[in-house]
Amino acid sequence: QSALTQPASVSGSPGQSITISCTGTSSDVGSYNLVSWYQQHPGKAPKLMIYEGSKRPSGVSNRFSGSKSGNTASLTISGLQAEDEADYYCCSYAGSSTFYVFGTGTKVTVL
Amino acid sequence: EVQLVESGGGLVQPGRSLRLSCAASGFTFDDYAMHWVRQAPGKGLEWVSGISWNSGSIGYADSVKGRFTISRDNAKNSLYLQMNSLRAEDTALYYCAKATNYDLSTWGQGTLVTVSS
Repeated sequence: QSALTQPASVSGSPGQSITISCTGTSSDVGSYNLVSWYQQHPGKAPKLMIYEGSKRPSGVSNRFSGSKSGNTASLTISGLQAEDEADYYCCSYAGSSTFYVFGTGTKVTVL
Repeated sequence: EVQLVESGGGLVQPGRSLRLSCAASGFTFDDYAMHWVRQAPGKGLEWVSGISWNSGSIGYADSVKGRFTISRDNAKNSLYLQMNSLRAEDTALYYCAKATNYDLSTWGQGTLVTVSS
């Protein structure tokens, strides 16, 4: 199972919106509406930001939103803030044998 | 408060074995599937293995299949990862994670495994 493809880095100024793409295949992203997104600050454990493609856990800012089209999922951060600077990983359910596949990760920089 | 605490990491020689543990608290452990995810130094996240609430469904990444074994003891609220025939490329921070439906909703702080002679 190959990792999902994400851009290595994305940057934006405070207040702007950015979008991170996550491209998989018809065996993972394309087959299930079960993509989740994780935020990881340096030296910290990952934190769930989006689940089931577009749902936000309690306590996660509504500035974070998710979507999917075909084999590509996307995470949009609107109203970019300094605290959003972190690594972001997508993850897709991939079936009952290989449960999950992660994306390659994207470093978000707030200029 | 939901809490996951990993232990058992350390320095081990190639070809040797190590057993990781994850102690869970703050939730009904046997209601949830559990997973191990690792992160090599400076690298991204890699799903390693997962187990359903009753151990009836188990999966492994191709990179560890045949060498690693996941298990759980619901009476002890604990998750385990038996790692055999360790390789240098298994060096990573190993996280334990609680699954809620099809996402990993809670993560521990990780335990570091270093495979080196």
